[in-house]
Amino acid sequence: GQQLNQSPQSMFIQEGEDVSMNCTSSSIFNTWLWYKQDPGEGPVLLIALYKAGELTSNGRLTAQFGITRKDSFLNISASIPSDVGIYFCAGQRINTDKLIFGTGTRLQVFP
Amino acid sequence: KAGVTQTPRYLIKTRGQQVTLSCSPISGHRSVSWYQQTPGQGLQFLFEYFSETQRNKGNFPGRFSGRQFSNSRSEMNVSTLELGDSALYLCASSLAAGLGAFFGQGTRLTVV
Repeated sequence: GQQLNQSPQSMFIQEGEDVSMNCTSSSIFNTWLWYKQDPGEGPVLLIALYKAGELTSNGRLTAQFGITRKDSFLNISASIPSDVGIYFCAGQRINTDKLIFGTGTRLQVFP
Repeated sequence: KAGVTQTPRYLIKTRGQQVTLSCSPISGHRSVSWYQQTPGQGLQFLFEYFSETQRNKGNFPGRFSGRQFSNSRSEMNVSTLELGDSALYLCASSLAAGLGAFFGQGTRLTVV
């Protein structure tokens, strides 16, 4: 099945560090979403982006909808232990709820 | 406001059996989508329902089917289970197309 290119695949960082991850696609999307998933749980929506160039924050999280509509970025500032998990990007096209997910970024935070 | 509720949380089935999974969307959400998550394939779209109509279908065999009821609750069915159907099945609901989706906790299906 189709998946978006998400990088890095995994990150091991120290508490307090900033984190950046990105997602790219060969085709355009109308909506970009970022989710966090803990083991055995469903993904939790972190940020939704609806316009090309849009920059949106949610606490320590900041995400951007790329100008080309083919990419998106997520930054986490001053990481804390509860940031541990798998982060997924997802693209969505107009008039559908179908999400195409990225391959995921596994984040580990060490004290 | 209650979130998306999926039942059951865990299931163990034998090859060849069939299974039905249930999803109750967030109150007021009329769109429900289903996804399969496996370590090898990641999160893959199964189907999408809006107002009891299937609006979109992913690339899965006909053994996978779903439906939506007038109260927006949805069920998915997998017939003739195979070992490869073992996965976390996730349901998501949304208020309107293109506004993002909210997921339930999932149903962990194990086929033995």
